[in-house]
Amino acid sequence: DAGITQSPRHKVTETGTPVTLRCHQTENHRYMYWYRQDPGHGLRLIHYSYGVKDTDKGEVSDGYSVSRSKTEDFLLTLESATSSQTSVYFCAISRGGQNEQFFGPGTRLTVL
Amino acid sequence: GQQLNQSPQSMFIQEGEDVSMNCTSSSIFNTWLWYKQDPGEGPVLLIALYKAGELTSNGRLTAQFGITRKDSFLNISASIPSDVGIYFCAGVRAPGYALNFGKGTSLLVTP
Repeated sequence: DAGITQSPRHKVTETGTPVTLRCHQTENHRYMYWYRQDPGHGLRLIHYSYGVKDTDKGEVSDGYSVSRSKTEDFLLTLESATSSQTSVYFCAISRGGQNEQFFGPGTRLTVL
Repeated sequence: GQQLNQSPQSMFIQEGEDVSMNCTSSSIFNTWLWYKQDPGEGPVLLIALYKAGELTSNGRLTAQFGITRKDSFLNISASIPSDVGIYFCAGVRAPGYALNFGKGTSLLVTP
């Protein structure tokens, strides 16, 4: 157990509304990641963070922004949700100097 | 990110049988990881491999890091019903970099 929680676990929203997903870790790890998982595509990186206020884009970052104002929290925001952003979103952490990543339980987001 | 080629896509086997799956890439990775995902949950790390040629076991699971550093294999011996799930391979180049995932192997085990 890497001490990762995600909230909410499920959300249904409408096209055009803003949505924020939260990832919270209890073990003070430096690196945090947001992935989305879709059938036929596997897991793809959206954004990642390598420290407080230090973030960078991943493979599928369009339409998403992130913020990390505290070590323990990494927020993913959809400014104006679209149906193509219906997906399962996973947060992950990695321990300093290690390649392994540990995943949270996921958030299932449906955009109608 | 690069998507890895993982095969087979699905397997339907009887309890007690051995299972093999593999993952290939056109790029070199410094670490190979194998995850299992149960429905409604996040991927759980099973095995991590750090060196070309390395063979690592975790209970009934054995994984190998290919000599070329472009492939990896996972074997499950004497499968049991709780082995059911989706198995993902992932390659990573260095700490802090994104994982490159395969599309997964769905395993079904009948009693």
